[in-house]
Amino acid sequence: DVKVTQSSRYLVKRTGEKVFLECVQDMDHENMFWYRQDPGLGLRLIYFSYDVKMKEKGDIPEGYSVSREKKERFSLILESASTNQTSMYLCASSTVRGYTFGSGTRLTVV
Amino acid sequence: AQSVTQPDIHITVSEGASLELRCNYSYGATPYLFWYVQSPGQGLQLLLKYFSGDTLVQGIKGFEAEFKRSQSSFNLRKPSVHWSDAAEYFCAVVPSGGGADGLTFGKGTHLIIQP
Repeated sequence: DVKVTQSSRYLVKRTGEKVFLECVQDMDHENMFWYRQDPGLGLRLIYFSYDVKMKEKGDIPEGYSVSREKKERFSLILESASTNQTSMYLCASSTVRGYTFGSGTRLTVV
Repeated sequence: AQSVTQPDIHITVSEGASLELRCNYSYGATPYLFWYVQSPGQGLQLLLKYFSGDTLVQGIKGFEAEFKRSQSSFNLRKPSVHWSDAAEYFCAVVPSGGGADGLTFGKGTHLIIQP
C-alpha cells in the first residue's frame, strides 16, 4: 500500500526555535505538498515541489521554507517559530491521477 | 483564482437518514474534483474523485457524488448514514490534468450523527 509518512504526530516547540517537519513518500511521486489545516479555514497550501531541488510557493508561504534534496523526502522548515504557526500540518504526494496524504503533524508553538 | 465553497459548516443527521453535502467550485474550466473525509486526529482519506465521463461517481463507504457542470457543483450523498460517518468532509479541486498543482480545498463540513 502506498504511503506518505510524517515523522512526528505531535510536536511542541518554543517561540523562535527553528523547526523541521519531515515527510517521506514511498511511491516515487514527483510532486509533493505541504498544507496547514486550521479550524474553519480548511487546508491551505504552503509550498509544493514538482522535482528534486524545485519548489514553488503556495497560498501562504510566509514564515516557511522547504527543502527537497531527494525525491522521496520533502521537509517543511519554520525558520523562527511563532505562536500563530500552531496548527496541523499535512504532507501529500501526487501523480496526475491522485493525491495521497500523510497522517499529519500537530505542532504547538509555546 | 479557483475557489471551492462548502456552504454548510455543520450538518446534523440522524443515523439511518440520507445525507447530502454541498460543494460548489469556481474555475474557468472543468477541474478534477475530489471528496475527502477526515476522522478526528486522522489524516485525509479519499472518498471519491471525478476526472471525466459518467457524472455520477461511486466511492468508498457507500458514498457517491454527482458532477453538475451547469451548476458548478459536486455534491456528496449517502442514502443511509452510520454513526461512524461522523467526521469532517472536504471538497477539493485541481486543474484538469493536474497532479503537479496543489489541491484547492473548501473549508470543510462537520458532520454530526444523532442516534
